[in-house]
Amino acid sequence: QKEVEQNSGPLSVPEGAIASLNCTYSDRGSQSFFWYRQYSGKSPELIMFIYSNGDKEDGRFTAQLNKASQYVSLLIRDSQPSDSATYLCAVERLAFGKGNQVVVIP
Amino acid sequence: SQTIHQWPATLVQPVGSPLSLECTVEGTSNPNLYWYRQAAGRGLQLLFYSVGIGQISSEVPQNLSASRPQDRQFILSSKKLLLSDSGFYLCAWSEPGTGGLRRYGYTFGSGTRLTVV
Repeated sequence: QKEVEQNSGPLSVPEGAIASLNCTYSDRGSQSFFWYRQYSGKSPELIMFIYSNGDKEDGRFTAQLNKASQYVSLLIRDSQPSDSATYLCAVERLAFGKGNQVVVIP
Repeated sequence: SQTIHQWPATLVQPVGSPLSLECTVEGTSNPNLYWYRQAAGRGLQLLFYSVGIGQISSEVPQNLSASRPQDRQFILSSKKLLLSDSGFYLCAWSEPGTGGLRRYGYTFGSGTRLTVV
């Protein structure tokens, strides 16, 4: 059973600050990891994927993967009000975390 | 480019009525197809996935069923809806095979919000 945990509650960050989200997973054999953004009432959209240890940067987003510790994180730099959404962590082969809500305060 | 269509966008159905949600994908062949449900305040729950025509795997036993009559068509059905079937239903697709999913993840349709009353 693959489990993905996102335990943090809603995250409020001021505009321009860094939002940091964490996700842990149970299956040590997992190879691919994804971050999805879901606006209220909308379907999730893929914003990042990573499958190598270390950091992967794409614009204001950075995904960090540590397979030894079995966690993956997402950093959002220079947070904007448009980043206010729920962020879902997903591990290959079908397992999603419950998501973390991010609220960017202007 | 690939597109995924899902309809209807919203649906209100009485308890005990049947259900049929349809999803189609364009611009790709032999995609992996998925049905997810997202209940209020909860995460995404995988209901069914399919790797080919007529091949359906069920992840959660319940009163729902899925069918794949054509390569790029995926249908979610129920003979009798329950109140607990309310939720946001999402169809998704990924590239064929395990490699495609690993590299590119899923692409979701726009979803159907089902309310059973």
